Amino acid sequence: DTGVSQNPRHKITKRGQNVTFRCDPISEHNRLYWYRQTLGQGPEFLTYFQNEAQLEKSRLLSDRFSAERPKGSFSTLEIQRTEQGDSAMYLCASRPGTPTGELFFGEGSRLTVL
Amino acid sequence: DAKTTQPPSMDCAEGRAANLPCNHSTISGNEYVYWYRQIHSQGPQYIIHGLKNNETNEMASLIITEDRKSSTLILPHATLRDTAVYYCIVTRPGGGNKLTFGTGTQLKVEL
Repeated sequence: DTGVSQNPRHKITKRGQNVTFRCDPISEHNRLYWYRQTLGQGPEFLTYFQNEAQLEKSRLLSDRFSAERPKGSFSTLEIQRTEQGDSAMYLCASRPGTPTGELFFGEGSRLTVL
Repeated sequence: DAKTTQPPSMDCAEGRAANLPCNHSTISGNEYVYWYRQIHSQGPQYIIHGLKNNETNEMASLIITEDRKSSTLILPHATLRDTAVYYCIVTRPGGGNKLTFGTGTQLKVEL
């Protein structure tokens, strides 16, 4: 399968713990995006990378959240000191560098904070 | 990005055409209309996009009005597997081209 891969698919953690999600994009795609989706809402943009450079971050991305894409390939999203409000689906997407190229989404990582 | 308005839900009989409307009255000249769908518990899936001309691919057709203030996504022969939330998104190309999702239209295809 050459689609966008996300791990883990499900994560249950206790409030205050740190969690990390990984995204492996489609190999030739230089742009990578993170979104968050809560129940009944559409996905909300968090941040995006062009190669290894993080070019934009949403105000939703508090200082407890950090994303990296160290070699311009896979990316990680870490949430420190999780809160119950962080419970959501975290979606990763990638696309090629063409101006109108569509996003290819992964299946998402569902986080539950108890 | 221009704001879009979609009905919250629609029903369609299997085998019939599903016509999903979207209003985007504040669209600017260089903004594209994109459609994605999200089947329950999966990531969103790209369907189609267009600028001003009607577009068709193997999944759907996109009809954009001449003034570009609204569009319709047409699934010509809906099946049960087309049951999903459909998102209409307007965005300009280039730059981040990040997408701003609304709440979409929940399409339910029934026997």
